[in-house]
Amino acid sequence: DSGVTQTPKHLITATGQRVTLRCSPRSGDLSVYWYQQSLDQGLQFLIQYYNGEERAKGNILERFSAQQFPDLHSELNLSSLELGDSALYFCASSVEPGRATGELFFGEGSRLTVL
Amino acid sequence: DAKTTQPNSMESNEEEPVHLPCNHSTISGTDYIHWYRQLPSQGPEYVIHGLTSNVNNRMASLAIAEDRKSSTLILHRATLRDAAVYYCIPTGVQGAQKLVFGQGTRLTINP
Repeated sequence: DSGVTQTPKHLITATGQRVTLRCSPRSGDLSVYWYQQSLDQGLQFLIQYYNGEERAKGNILERFSAQQFPDLHSELNLSSLELGDSALYFCASSVEPGRATGELFFGEGSRLTVL
Repeated sequence: DAKTTQPNSMESNEEEPVHLPCNHSTISGTDYIHWYRQLPSQGPEYVIHGLTSNVNNRMASLAIAEDRKSSTLILHRATLRDAAVYYCIPTGVQGAQKLVFGQGTRLTINP
């Protein structure tokens, strides 16, 4: 158990809909990362937050947005869903960002299926 | 970000040592080398990291070439639970903002 909690574990929805994925980081971790893993793309970095502020951005679509709240939990919002958005979405946390020796702790992921 | 080259797959037998290679010839002088693994149906988990010297922890050993252009993750006695995809990730201060996962090596362990 990494200490990172993601909900829901599974989600099935239709094209055009909007969903919210939630992540609670490990106790004491200030930084949250979101990754997408699909069969053809592998693990792709989406976005990182540190203590409520956006710190780094990857190939995150404009239809996707995220935020980190004062209690440090984070939400990833996916809108106007397409079939290609079906994937596993992982959240990770770390004590702080930008440390080359830092270790990321990953949750078990949220599996999104868009029909 | 430094590019990495890893074998797509490797196979070994239970209780035998496993050596997982990684080439990272474009690594910068300040990049650490991290290894993560992803067990089936789970999120990635940290295995080990190093800079120049070889490193050991309870999970594995990391051997880093003198020129730092390659490294090898060593599992001393593989178990069935070690079957996973192993990722080698050079990480600098900027890179630590966003670990960049390549395709990794899928390790199969035979009983």
